[in-house]
Amino acid sequence: DAGVIQSPRHEVTEMGQEVTLRCKPISGHNSLFWYRQTMMRGLELLIYFNNNVPIDDSGMPEDRFSAKMPNASFSTLKIQPSEPRDSAVYFCASSLTSGDWDTQYFGPGTRLTVL
Amino acid sequence: QKEVEQNSGPLSVPEGAIASLNCTYSDRGSQSFFWYRQYSGKSPELIMSIYSNGDKEDGRFTAQLNKASQYVSLLIRDSQPSDSATYLCAVKRGAQKLVFGQGTRLTINP
Repeated sequence: DAGVIQSPRHEVTEMGQEVTLRCKPISGHNSLFWYRQTMMRGLELLIYFNNNVPIDDSGMPEDRFSAKMPNASFSTLKIQPSEPRDSAVYFCASSLTSGDWDTQYFGPGTRLTVL
Repeated sequence: QKEVEQNSGPLSVPEGAIASLNCTYSDRGSQSFFWYRQYSGKSPELIMSIYSNGDKEDGRFTAQLNKASQYVSLLIRDSQPSDSATYLCAVKRGAQKLVFGQGTRLTINP
C-alpha cells in the first residue's frame, strides 16, 4: 500500500519566491497534518484538517503561510513570499480518526532551502 | 517550561544493553502518549503508544507511564545498532494535536 506521498522531496528557492508543497494522504484517512521540523524548534504542528476542513491553524507562523485541502486526496502548503528562516523539513501526516487510537503516518518530507 | 521535555543526548549504549529514554510533560490532563523513532534524514514512525499508568511491552520495547509524576519512558532491551536513531516523545493535546519533544539521539555501539 502506498504511504503518504509528498512532492517535491527537495526544493531550493530564492527569498521572495512562492513555494508550494504537496501532499497525498493515505487512501481512506480522514485527517491530515502539516508539520515543520528544524534543529532549533524541533517538530511542530502547523495545521491540521478533518474531512478536508481546517480544524486548527494556530501553528501557522504568519500570514505568509497558507494551506488548503480541496479534496480527500490532496493538500497543499503554500509560502508566499518565502524567507530564509522558512528553511526546514516539512512533513505531511495522515490518520484515520477513531478516538485515541489514531496513528499518524508521516510522509517522507520536503526539504526546503530558501536562499 | 516546555510542554514536552526530553534529554537531547546523545545517549550512548553498548550493544546488547538496555537503553532508557525519558520524557516529562507539563499538562496534567494529558491522556495519550507516543514514542516515535526517526532515523537520520527520514520521517518519524510510531513505535509505541500508551494510555494507562504502568508498563506496555511490545517485543524489545517497553513504554512506561506515570501520570502522577507526569513521566513517560521507553526501554529498549537487547539494544542493536539498528536502534540508533532519534526518539521523539509526543503527547496528545485535545482531540488530535500531537506536541513533540525535541527528541533524544540514541547511539548503540557495537
